Amino acid sequence: ELKVEQNPLFLSMQEGKNYTIYCNYSTTSDRLYWYRQDPGKSLESLFVLLSNGAVKQEGRLMASLDTKARLSTLHITAAVHDLSATYFCAVEPGNQFYFGTGTSLTVIP
Amino acid sequence: DSGVTQTPKHLITATGQRVTLRCSPRSGDLSVYWYQQSLDQGLQFLIQYYNGEERAKGNILERFSAQQFPDLHSELNLSSLELGDSALYFCASSPGTNLNIQYFGAGTRLSVL
Repeated sequence: ELKVEQNPLFLSMQEGKNYTIYCNYSTTSDRLYWYRQDPGKSLESLFVLLSNGAVKQEGRLMASLDTKARLSTLHITAAVHDLSATYFCAVEPGNQFYFGTGTSLTVIP
Repeated sequence: DSGVTQTPKHLITATGQRVTLRCSPRSGDLSVYWYQQSLDQGLQFLIQYYNGEERAKGNILERFSAQQFPDLHSELNLSSLELGDSALYFCASSPGTNLNIQYFGAGTRLSVL
């Protein structure tokens, strides 16, 4: 059974701190996606990582992909309150999407 | 605003009924995806269409069906509804290129009573 596991499930962090969310997956996938979902809202695509070693950055968020380890990370730098949301990773083997359980991030002033 | 339109926003119906959810993709996008989000199951991929043809099928029940029309809008039909079908249903669209960035609609919240 294909699994996509995110770690941690819940994260409470202070403004200004750094932290990393981990996404492990159990099957081969050339692509990995990161999404953000605000409470009661829809999903927003953040990153698409297409190859081993890919790194993408947008503002305070940086995502990386290690296809050999089947691991992606989402690093948060100097967190601000606006980053509070749930973050999902997803893989796409064979055109099907499998999502992680999500990491609920709360940034405390 | 993602440019993806889903209707209706909310739907309340009874068990055993049939409903249709509608999705209009962003202008120019050829791919449409349907997802279900619930507390029990999390985010589940249901089905993908590309330019009118089914491209990939995920955890879609036999009671559910979908299609993409020549104007590229898509409909998700849910029949013989059960309490457990209550969920948020999202549609997303993408250009269909290799990059595959998806743009999500606001979702349809389905409540089966």
